[in-house]
Amino acid sequence: EPEVTQTPSHQVTQMGQEVILRCVPISNHLYFYWYRQILGQKVEFLVSFYNNEISEKSEIFDDQFSVERPDGSNFTLKIRSTKLEDSAMYFCASRAEQFFGPGTRLTVL
Amino acid sequence: EDKVVQSPLSLVVHEGDTVTLNCSYEVTNFRSLLWYKQEKKAPTFLFMLTSSGIEKKSGRLSSILDKKELFSILNITATQTGDSAIYLCAVENRAGGGADGLTFGKGTHLIIQP
Repeated sequence: EPEVTQTPSHQVTQMGQEVILRCVPISNHLYFYWYRQILGQKVEFLVSFYNNEISEKSEIFDDQFSVERPDGSNFTLKIRSTKLEDSAMYFCASRAEQFFGPGTRLTVL
Repeated sequence: EDKVVQSPLSLVVHEGDTVTLNCSYEVTNFRSLLWYKQEKKAPTFLFMLTSSGIEKKSGRLSSILDKKELFSILNITATQTGDSAIYLCAVENRAGGGADGLTFGKGTHLIIQP
C-alpha cells in the first residue's frame, strides 16, 4: 500500500539554525500539507500546497517557514531560524484522504 | 473560525465494552469530517464522512455524521487493548477548493483495560 514517508524521523538542532524537513507524498496525489503537533497539544494545520504553489496557510506559517517541491516528488518544509517553540512533531500529508507520514520530531535546543 | 470539540477528552473502559466517541463541529463551508487514530506517532486514517446518515464501517469500528446537528460519533464495539489510542476528529472546509488543511479537535484519549 502506498504511504507518505518523511525524513529524518528525529532532528535535533540549535536555536537559530535552519532546518529542512523532507516528505515524499503518495505519488498520484496532488495536494500536500504540513501539520505540526506540539507535545500534548492538538494537531495544527500549517500549509497546503497544490499545483506547485501554496494554497492555504495558517497564522502559524509565518515568514520563517517556507515549502517547496524541488523535484516533483519531494515536498519540503524549511524553518529558517528555529526557535525553542518550534519543537514539535511535524507531519506531512497528501490528499485524497490525507494519509499522514510517520512524522519528524524536531527538537530545538 | 472553524472549531471541533470532542468528548469525552478521556475514557477508560474494560476490554469487551462498547464505546461511543463524540465530535461536534462548526465550520463555515463543510466539505468532510474525518476520524483518525493516533497511537505513538502519526494519525492513522479511519473514516471520511461527507453525507448525513450513512454509516461507515470497518470491522468493529463504525461512524456516522449528522450534518443538521453538526456532529459525528465513532463507535467501537467489543473493545480490545489494541484500541487504546487517541482518537482525533477533524473537519475540512470547502472554501479552499480541496486544498484547505484540516481543523482538528483535541482528541479523545481511550484506554482499554484488560
